[in-house]
Amino acid sequence: KNEVEQSPQNLTAQEGEFITINCSYSVGISALHWLQQHPGGGIVSLFMLSSGKKKHGRLIATINIQEKHSSLHITASHPRDSAVYICAVRLVQTSGSRLTFGEGTQLTVNP
Amino acid sequence: GAVVSQHPSRVICKSGTSVKIECRSLDFQATTMFWYRQFPKQSLMLMATSNEGSKATYEQGVEKDKFLINHASLTLSTLTVTSAHPEDSSFYICSARDRIGQPQHFGDGTRLSIL
Repeated sequence: KNEVEQSPQNLTAQEGEFITINCSYSVGISALHWLQQHPGGGIVSLFMLSSGKKKHGRLIATINIQEKHSSLHITASHPRDSAVYICAVRLVQTSGSRLTFGEGTQLTVNP
Repeated sequence: GAVVSQHPSRVICKSGTSVKIECRSLDFQATTMFWYRQFPKQSLMLMATSNEGSKATYEQGVEKDKFLINHASLTLSTLTVTSAHPEDSSFYICSARDRIGQPQHFGDGTRLSIL
C-alpha cells in the first residue's frame, strides 16, 4: 500500500464546476505539498501546508492532521486548469527533506 | 516568486553519449537540490539529494557512477547521465529549496531520449 493515496486517479469536469481532489496518507507528516504538473511536464508548487487551510485565487487546500487527509479544491474550473495534480508529503519518519509522492490525479476540464 | 531554471528542456542523442542537465535557482540560494526521474504516467521518483558543497546522497538502486551530480554553488546543480543508453530515456526534473521548512521549487524538466 502506498504511503500517499490520491483520489480520483482521473477526473473530467465541465467548465465552471467545483472540483475536489483528495489525498490520504498513512503516517505522520511534517508538511504536505500540492503540485500541478502541466502537460509539458513542468511542475508548479501550489501549496505547502501543515495545518488548516490555504487559499490562492480559485484554489483552496485543506488538511486534517488527525484524519491524515488533505483536499485540493478548484472553484469555477477552467480548461486551463487541466493538468496532473500531485500530493506530496514530507514524512516525519524520513531523514532530510525527501518528499513522498502520490500517483497524481489527471484533471481534464472541458469547455 | 522563486524560479528554478532547468536546461535543456529536451535532449535526443545517440547511445553512449554523456548528457549534462543543469538546474539553476534564479532568485534564491538553493541549499538543497533534488533530482527526480519520471516515467510516463507515473509519479516522480527521487534519485538523489544534494547539499551545496557536499556529495550527493543517492536513493537505493540509483547508480552514482551513472548519474553524476555536482552541486558546487548555491545556485547551480548538474546531473550528468554518463554513457547513456535507451533505458535511461526518461523525464528528469530538478527541484531546489532554500532551507528546511521552505517549499521546494521545481524546474520544467528535461526530456531525455536516447536512440
